[in-house]
Amino acid sequence: DVKVTQSSRYLVKRTGEKVFLECVQDMDHENMFWYRQDPGLGLRLIYFSYDVKMKEKGDIPEGYSVSREKKERFSLILESASTNQTSMYLCASGGWGNEQFFGPGTRLTVL
Amino acid sequence: QKEVEQNSGPLSVPEGAIASLNCTYSDRGSQSFFWYRQYSGKSPELIMSIYSNGDKEDGRFTAQLNKASQYVSLLIRDSQPSDSATYLCAVIPGNMLTFGGGTRLMVKP
Repeated sequence: DVKVTQSSRYLVKRTGEKVFLECVQDMDHENMFWYRQDPGLGLRLIYFSYDVKMKEKGDIPEGYSVSREKKERFSLILESASTNQTSMYLCASGGWGNEQFFGPGTRLTVL
Repeated sequence: QKEVEQNSGPLSVPEGAIASLNCTYSDRGSQSFFWYRQYSGKSPELIMSIYSNGDKEDGRFTAQLNKASQYVSLLIRDSQPSDSATYLCAVIPGNMLTFGGGTRLMVKP
């Protein structure tokens, strides 16, 4: 079974803090993705990576950065957290032109 | 126009009935189609994939694809309260998975 894990299920941070969300997959997938999901707005792609050290902006990259130093690990970084970044963050992995498998999600609250 | 469209619902069906969830997509060249189920507060879980026209059955679930009309549907037979969730349709128009907004299904005992 594909396994995608995320470092935290729940996280509470303060405005202005630097936040790291980590994701690890064990299926040797080339592609990894970070989404955020908000009520009424569906899944929105923040960034994705198709190879180690490679990254591409998704639909809403502003305020975020990513890092992929190893194939199995993809990190999302909030440089200076703001209250409008309170959301559910979902990591996914998958092969090219194929389905994605999601981690359990991190519910981030920024106070 | 959104690339993948779903009625947001909620779709309410009685227990034991057939639930029919529909999805339309805009890119005629799309080749791969998926259904995900997402329980409240949880992450999406892949439940069905379909690649060619026609029906694909897996237990109580049937995915239907009609490329000429550009729609894909999910039928859930003998609906149970545990099927109450949001169902996301996903399509690969190029090489990236694109999600619809989801349909919320409520199965009432």
